Amino acid sequence: SQELEQSPQSLIVQEGKNLTINCTSSKTLYGLYWYKQKYGEGLIFLMMLQKGGEEKSHEKITAKLDEKKQQSSLHITASQPSHAGIYLCGADKSSYGKLTFGQGTILTVHP
Amino acid sequence: GAVVSQHPSRVICKSGTSVKIECRSLDFQATTMFWYRQFPKKSLMLMATSNEGSKATYEQGVEKDKFLINHASLTLSTLTVTSAHPEDSSFYICSASRASGSDEQFFGPGTRLTVL
Repeated sequence: SQELEQSPQSLIVQEGKNLTINCTSSKTLYGLYWYKQKYGEGLIFLMMLQKGGEEKSHEKITAKLDEKKQQSSLHITASQPSHAGIYLCGADKSSYGKLTFGQGTILTVHP
Repeated sequence: GAVVSQHPSRVICKSGTSVKIECRSLDFQATTMFWYRQFPKKSLMLMATSNEGSKATYEQGVEKDKFLINHASLTLSTLTVTSAHPEDSSFYICSASRASGSDEQFFGPGTRLTVL
C-alpha cells in the first residue's frame, strides 16, 4: 500500500494561477521533504519541514506541515511555466534519513 | 550549495554483464549515501543505505548480491548491478547527506540504465 499519498496526481494550470499539492501520511513523520524533478533528471530540494505547524516559503512556493505532522501542502502562487515538473514529497519515518516518497504530482503550466 | 554527481548519466549494456554506477559528493563529505530506483512515471524507491566504511543496509526485497554497494570514502559510493537483465533497466538515483539521521539529502542527476 502507498505510505504517502499525494494529490492530485496531475495538475494543469494557466500561468498566473495559484495551486496546491497535498501529501498525506497515516503515520507521524520525523521530517517531510518537498522535491521537484524534471523527467529523467535528479531531484531538486525545495524545502524540509520538521516541526508540527511549521511553514516555510521560498520565492513563490510555500510549504506547510500540520500540527500532527501527518499532512503537508505545497502552495505555488502566481505559477509560471518554470514551475512545471514533477513534485515529490518524501517522508522520513525513522529519523535515520530513509525517505519514502509519494507517487508524485505532475504539474503543467500553460503560458 | 552541495553538489552530487553521478557517472555515467546513461549506460546501455548487454544482458549478463555488470554495470558500475558512481555517486560522488563534490563539495562536501557524505557520511551517508542512499540509492534509489525509479521506474517510468513512478516514484522513487529506496534500495539501500550506505555509510562510509561499513556494509550497506538493503531494503526488503532488494538483493544485496545483485546490487553491490561500496562506500569506500566520504565522497564516493558505487552501485554495481551484477549480471544485469532487462528487468534491471531503470533510472537509478543516489543521494548524499552530511550526517546520518534526518539531515538534508542532496540528490544526484540520476543514471539511466538500459539492459538489452
